Amino acid sequence: EAGVAQSPRYKIIEKRQSVAFWCNPISGHATLYWYQQILGQGPKLLIQFQNNGVVDDSQLPKDRFSAERLKGVDSTLKIQPAKLEDSAVYLCASSFNRDTDTQYFGPGTRLTVL
Amino acid sequence: AQSVSQHNHHVILSEAASLELGCNYSYGGTVNLFWYVQYPGQHLQLLLKYFSGDPLVKGIKGFEAEFIKSKFSFNLRKPSVQWSDTAEYFCAVIYNQGGKLIFGQGTELSVKP
Repeated sequence: EAGVAQSPRYKIIEKRQSVAFWCNPISGHATLYWYQQILGQGPKLLIQFQNNGVVDDSQLPKDRFSAERLKGVDSTLKIQPAKLEDSAVYLCASSFNRDTDTQYFGPGTRLTVL
Repeated sequence: AQSVSQHNHHVILSEAASLELGCNYSYGGTVNLFWYVQYPGQHLQLLLKYFSGDPLVKGIKGFEAEFIKSKFSFNLRKPSVQWSDTAEYFCAVIYNQGGKLIFGQGTELSVKP
């Protein structure tokens, strides 16, 4: 079974530039999550999708971050404009359903904002 | 506020030593508890989980964890560590079946051969 795929694996940008990350969840998984992991901390949920609808985006900085999951499969997370404090690893995870199913994580995208 | 606390930031052990990593969570309703592990260069993967039933949970690679409700704790244990257990370990909680994992800050384990 293929795992959660993410791209790119690494990205370096200047502050105020924009960047986008892509995630392809495990086939059949209805729920998709984006987490932000800052160095030295545990991952923090940014947004959760159930199929193509948003379930929880309470911790997403909506003035600069946006995410979509068209057709309920792949998802993209965008930052525009980026700030220095956005430097982090962005993790995508998926699960069969929302409640308590195991979340499977992708390899992450390491973003460095200069 | 819902939160998870891991007691140790970095633990260094020799091979064959016993391991116990602490995890406490704040009160916030019903909980489902997880330990995830991240080996060097690899992605986060599930080590074990507790939803209900026997509070002593066994996971992969000889790890186990005990849920003590009265202490709001879910400590991870292994009787004898190996060099290959070197990794970062994260405790995580889902409150009220919402799907949102709340992670602790992680414990880096280094095992000396």
